[in-house]
Amino acid sequence: EPEVTQTPSHQVTQMGQEVILRCVPISNHLYFYWYRQILGQKVEFLVSFYNNEISEKSEIFDDQFSVERPDGSNFTLKIRSTKLEDSAMYFCASSDNSYSPLHFGNGTRLTVT
Amino acid sequence: QKEVEQNSGPLSVPEGAIASLNCTYSDRGSQSFFWYRQYSGKSPELIMFIYSNGDKEDGRFTAQLNKASQYVSLLIRDSQPSDSATYLCAVTSSNDYKLSFGAGTTVTVRA
Repeated sequence: EPEVTQTPSHQVTQMGQEVILRCVPISNHLYFYWYRQILGQKVEFLVSFYNNEISEKSEIFDDQFSVERPDGSNFTLKIRSTKLEDSAMYFCASSDNSYSPLHFGNGTRLTVT
Repeated sequence: QKEVEQNSGPLSVPEGAIASLNCTYSDRGSQSFFWYRQYSGKSPELIMFIYSNGDKEDGRFTAQLNKASQYVSLLIRDSQPSDSATYLCAVTSSNDYKLSFGAGTTVTVRA
């Protein structure tokens, strides 16, 4: 069964550094998402992406965050200057239309020290 | 603010019993409803989805939707220890592509 893959599985970075989290969505899916989950808290929406542009973003997704689909297969989340509070599990997801179930990757655990 | 509410639990049931999980949502125009299972430290895994009022059964799982009451539930029949996890209710908003999650209900199945 096709799956969403994310790399790396764990990323440790120092405060103020830039990080890029990478995702390969399921190949025939058209809608891409990033969610995050701070330890012990709920899964929170960050951004949705369709037709090579952001379709929706949350208040969390401020100017420090950006997404890109550089080559038709990868979907990346960049955090320009990480803060301690960015430490969380980041999940990439994809779906074939806006109302279909989301398929999640295994996540990247980001630790900011 | 659009919200999805779940009882946090923990819900403890004996092996073989029925686990009943509830979820309410605030956006009356929501169209799509999902139940995900999340093991500790892992990603959400789709269990069920339902779009229409009524019941939908898949193996040991039954999802129930009542849009008038803004209520969706999940029943797990013949609960197994491997069903021990956090169950997340998720709802698609009426006017955007965002899937909003509840905080989850933790289920423990006692052997």
